[in-house]
Amino acid sequence: EAGVTQFPSHSVIEKGQTVTLRCDPISGHDNLYWYRRVMGKEIKFLLHFVKESKQDESGMPNNRFLAERTGGTYSTLKVQPAELEDSGVYFCASSPRGLNQPQHFGDGTRLSIL
Amino acid sequence: AQSVAQPEDQVNVAEGNPLTVKCTYSVSGNPYLFWYVQYPNRGLQFLLKYITGDNLVKGSYGFEAEFNKSQTSFHLKKPSALVSDSALYFCAVRDRYLAGNMLTFGGGTRLMVKP
Repeated sequence: EAGVTQFPSHSVIEKGQTVTLRCDPISGHDNLYWYRRVMGKEIKFLLHFVKESKQDESGMPNNRFLAERTGGTYSTLKVQPAELEDSGVYFCASSPRGLNQPQHFGDGTRLSIL
Repeated sequence: AQSVAQPEDQVNVAEGNPLTVKCTYSVSGNPYLFWYVQYPNRGLQFLLKYITGDNLVKGSYGFEAEFNKSQTSFHLKKPSALVSDSALYFCAVRDRYLAGNMLTFGGGTRLMVKP
C-alpha cells in the first residue's frame, strides 16, 4: 500500500510569489488533513477534508491560504502571496473513516520564503 | 480546548537502558492519545494509540505507553533502548467528544540513544 505522498519535498520562493503544495492521500482514505510546523514549534492543524468537503478549516491562518480537494482524491494547498512567516514544513495526513483511526502522514513539504 | 505538554526538549539514554519520554495532556472530555516518531527528513510515523480499555498500550518497535487518567499523562516507554530509536517523538491528543478530527501535538522530544 502506497503511503501519503507530498510534492514538492522542498520549495524555495521569494516573498510575494505563489506556491502550490500537493498531497496524495492513501487510496480509499476519506479524511485528509493539512498541518504545518513553523520554525521548530508545535505542529499545528490547518484544515480537514472529508472527501471533497471542508469539515474544519479553523486552523487556516488567513485568506492567503487556499486548500482544495476536487473529486475527493488529492488535495492542493496554495499560498498566495507568500510571506516570510509562512516558512516551515507542511504535512499532509490521511485516515480512513472512524474517529479513532490513526492519521498517516506524508514526508512533508519544506517551504522556504526568502 | 485541548493541549499537550512534552516537558523535555531532549532525552539522553544509553543503549540498552530503559527510556521514558513524558507527555501530559488536557482535554475537556475523554481523550484519544497517540505517539508519533519522526526520523530526519521524513514524516510522522504512527507508533501507538490509546482509545479505551487497558491502560498499557503496546505499539511498534517495542514501544509502549501507559495512560494515567488521574495524572493526565501518557508517557512513552521502552525497556531497552536502541541507537536506531534516536529520533523526534511527538505526543498528540484529540477529545473524543469534540466535533472534528484534528490532532493537537506537543512540541516534540528529541531522543538521543548513545552506544
